[in-house]
Amino acid sequence: QVTLRESGPALVKPTHTVTLTCAFAGFSLTTEGMSVSWIRQPPGKALEWLARIDWDDDKKYSPFLRARLAISKDTSKMEVALTMTNVNPVDTGTYYCVRTHRKSLGNWLFDYWGQGILVTVSS
Amino acid sequence: SYELTQPPSVSVSPGQTASITCSGHNLGDKYVCWFQHRPGQSPVLVIYQDDRRPSGIPERFSGSSSGDTATLTISGTQALDEADYYCQTWDSTTGVFGGGTKLTVL
Repeated sequence: QVTLRESGPALVKPTHTVTLTCAFAGFSLTTEGMSVSWIRQPPGKALEWLARIDWDDDKKYSPFLRARLAISKDTSKMEVALTMTNVNPVDTGTYYCVRTHRKSLGNWLFDYWGQGILVTVSS
Repeated sequence: SYELTQPPSVSVSPGQTASITCSGHNLGDKYVCWFQHRPGQSPVLVIYQDDRRPSGIPERFSGSSSGDTATLTISGTQALDEADYYCQTWDSTTGVFGGGTKLTVL
């Protein structure tokens, strides 16, 4: 059974750095074609893809947030982390950890989602 | 940057067919997924690779894509289908979501 669970601080001060952790089970991030993505949703707004880390440690980022994001994995712990620097109130939202499965070249699926974690940026 | 455009809202009567569109430049050349997002829950993949249904998704959900437009169709819409729906694709290595469509069943 595939599961993903996000953890991290619920409240972060502006200009600070936040790290979110995703603990996953039911699949291996060493299997070719497997990846984990982070996706967020600000209150009342649309889903936004942030970053992806692949089985071979390749990393992809949203071009809008590339300078502020870092994604990493610990395959032995079955965890993926997302670090965002210099947060501000517009970064408030629910952050989802999502298993991302490559079906074919250029064809990646967000097939299993965590429950999400609400992160509020406020002083 | 690549953009996907959806209508903000669609209304449908129970038992009728709902169609939600998603527009993007040459979208038919890319793979499109659709997600159902109910309030307080995590999004659920309902269509992938333009027109494929994951196991467990009812047959009333179908998808198509051609030219600049992809369409999610829900036949025999039920009250439990009321949710936000998002289309999604990849622009090279960047994930892109549409702005979402609120489906109201009334």
